[in-house]
Amino acid sequence: VQLQESGPGLMKPSGALSLTCDVSGGSISSSNWWGWVRQPPGKGLEWIAEISLSGTIHYNPSLKSRVTISVDRSKNLFSLNLSSVIAADTAVYYCVRHGSYYFDCWGQGTLVTVSS
Amino acid sequence: QSALTQPRSVSGSPGQSVTISCTGTSSDVGNYNYVTWYQQHPGKAPKVMIYDVSKRPSGVPDRFSASKSGNTASLTISGLQAEDEADYYCCSYAPGYTYVFGTGTEVTVL
Repeated sequence: VQLQESGPGLMKPSGALSLTCDVSGGSISSSNWWGWVRQPPGKGLEWIAEISLSGTIHYNPSLKSRVTISVDRSKNLFSLNLSSVIAADTAVYYCVRHGSYYFDCWGQGTLVTVSS
Repeated sequence: QSALTQPRSVSGSPGQSVTISCTGTSSDVGNYNYVTWYQQHPGKAPKVMIYDVSKRPSGVPDRFSASKSGNTASLTISGLQAEDEADYYCCSYAPGYTYVFGTGTEVTVL
């Protein structure tokens, strides 16, 4: 299974970030849980949220109010939306597949820069 | 939900051993046997080196080992090699069906 993120690259503050993760080389049913992790430039990793194929969602409490996550089994993809972005949301965003209680497959990451 | 604490950097000569600590709380590291260690080379996505505290995925060299005691997990790299130079992050399952990462440790091979 390979994961590929797609996103806007550059966006302005206060906008809504929309990211998609395409799952290829296998079915999205290869795992029950899929999620997102981000990494600001030069900084550490931060878990954002996860979603199950049945639609159960878990959020990082610090981001919960701004995050929407969804899955489309028919298209073999899942998505992340982050509202009201600020400069601190500038990061490489990774989509991940869950293997039990860890992330066993990662996308290459997509850099999202929030700047006016 | 605070980040787990790791040393900023560790270093060692080829062939030596280095150990990275990962300190959390009784709510995360101390409460679950779900600590994962990731290796990240510059510009690359992280890679799982250890999961469930001490299990190695297939393909990961056996010179990578890990353990946990109380609220602190540890990763040991024995027989350090040049390709081990990277950033390492621990990650623990945490209350509320969440995950918390460590602050990250830069491993330098002298």
